[in-house]
Amino acid sequence: TQLLEQSPQFLSIQEGENLTVYCNSSSVFSSLQWYRQEPGEGPVLLVTVVTGGEVKKLKRLTFQFGDARKDSSLHITAAQPGDTGLYLCAGGWGSWGKLQFGAGTQVVVTP
Amino acid sequence: KAGVTQTPRYLIKTRGQQVTLSCSPISGHRSVSWYQQTPGQGLQFLFEYFSETQRNKGNFPGRFSGRQFSNSRSEMNVSTLELGDSALYLCASSSDRADTQYFGPGTRLTVL
Repeated sequence: TQLLEQSPQFLSIQEGENLTVYCNSSSVFSSLQWYRQEPGEGPVLLVTVVTGGEVKKLKRLTFQFGDARKDSSLHITAAQPGDTGLYLCAGGWGSWGKLQFGAGTQVVVTP
Repeated sequence: KAGVTQTPRYLIKTRGQQVTLSCSPISGHRSVSWYQQTPGQGLQFLFEYFSETQRNKGNFPGRFSGRQFSNSRSEMNVSTLELGDSALYLCASSSDRADTQYFGPGTRLTVL
């Protein structure tokens, strides 16, 4: 059973379109991380959010942490083929290295 | 600063054998966590070491063990391999703020 539910599981869009990935849980987290993973490689950290209601922007990527620190979203504006990958959210409780991962959202951006 | 390194990148073993995987964390990071990633279960936490002590452990059988050395490098051992142990094993390191973890490229283990 996944404590973190990601939706959608799969997203295929054209270059230039926008997309949003959601990460929801019934648990409260002290922080939430977003990673992107490419086949055969380890996840690459995109952002860490720690404050309820926090919004962080990283170029075309916008990350939001819910007020209750139970959910998060990742929004990509004007997606590019280089944004293709598996997007993973991970919740932390500050409990020493143990992150709870969602199942991931596979994003495919075609030219 | 060099990233997290893992060796070997690929490994093929047969059932019943044992295997040792190695991880070198980012310089200055004292926490090392290990995860197993499979298509069916996703990323699952195995254990975490800090200053040579295991601080946290996931729900895996005792066949999975690890250790950390004084230079923060870590090894993970799996004994009596089973077909279901085939997976990508990922190591992640972090500074004292343990929630933010940086992953290595992983070791792809195939058990035949």
